[in-house]
Amino acid sequence: DAKTTQPPSMDCAEGRAANLPCNHSTISGNEYVYWYRQIHSQGPQYIIHGLKNNETNEMASLIITEDRKSSTLILPHATLRDTAVYYCIVRVPTQGGSEKLVFGKGMKLTVNP
Amino acid sequence: NAGVMQNPRHLVRRRGQEARLRCSPMKGHSHVYWYRQLPEEGLKFMVYLQKENIIDESGMPKERFSAEFPKEGPSILRIQQVVRGDSAAYFCASSPLGQGASNSPLHFGNGTRLTVT
Repeated sequence: DAKTTQPPSMDCAEGRAANLPCNHSTISGNEYVYWYRQIHSQGPQYIIHGLKNNETNEMASLIITEDRKSSTLILPHATLRDTAVYYCIVRVPTQGGSEKLVFGKGMKLTVNP
Repeated sequence: NAGVMQNPRHLVRRRGQEARLRCSPMKGHSHVYWYRQLPEEGLKFMVYLQKENIIDESGMPKERFSAEFPKEGPSILRIQQVVRGDSAAYFCASSPLGQGASNSPLHFGNGTRLTVT
């Protein structure tokens, strides 16, 4: 089961910042939070990940609360091409001692003109 | 630097036939994950492989499905005697690291869309 919860959908105006929330209240101290998105029927696209500190790359910023129980993905200037399903994921252990991504239902972001 | 390559992009099989889906990971990646996405649903983990080893197959159906990642060549997801319920998009992902690699994102291919008629 996914260890994260997200609202099912959100709308955003083109050019505005999109703030996508995620709750992960059961996260462990050494587990990273990952964000992916899936545009239409393409493969999931990696966006960003973080552990404790806020992170920023060319696509987005990730703000993680101090207690690490929630995070927010920020798309600073949303465009129509950012319309997608966004997944907030905490990796879970595999049988082999590694980790895998468990996808929840994600959140559908619609950017409106 | 080529991404994860999956082929074919679309595959149509009649009930009872076999489906073979191929995945070439990114260069330098030796860890491969397969996921299945049914229409209007999220991705479900199927299997995690390293070269010549299956590490976690907890998401694989017990019958008709198998996966391999040989020393040379792509990873193969094989579905025998396909049924209509196997119609789905099958995604492969790869990463350079495995165990303890929380800091290593998976990179996904664009999938193979299997249609069983």
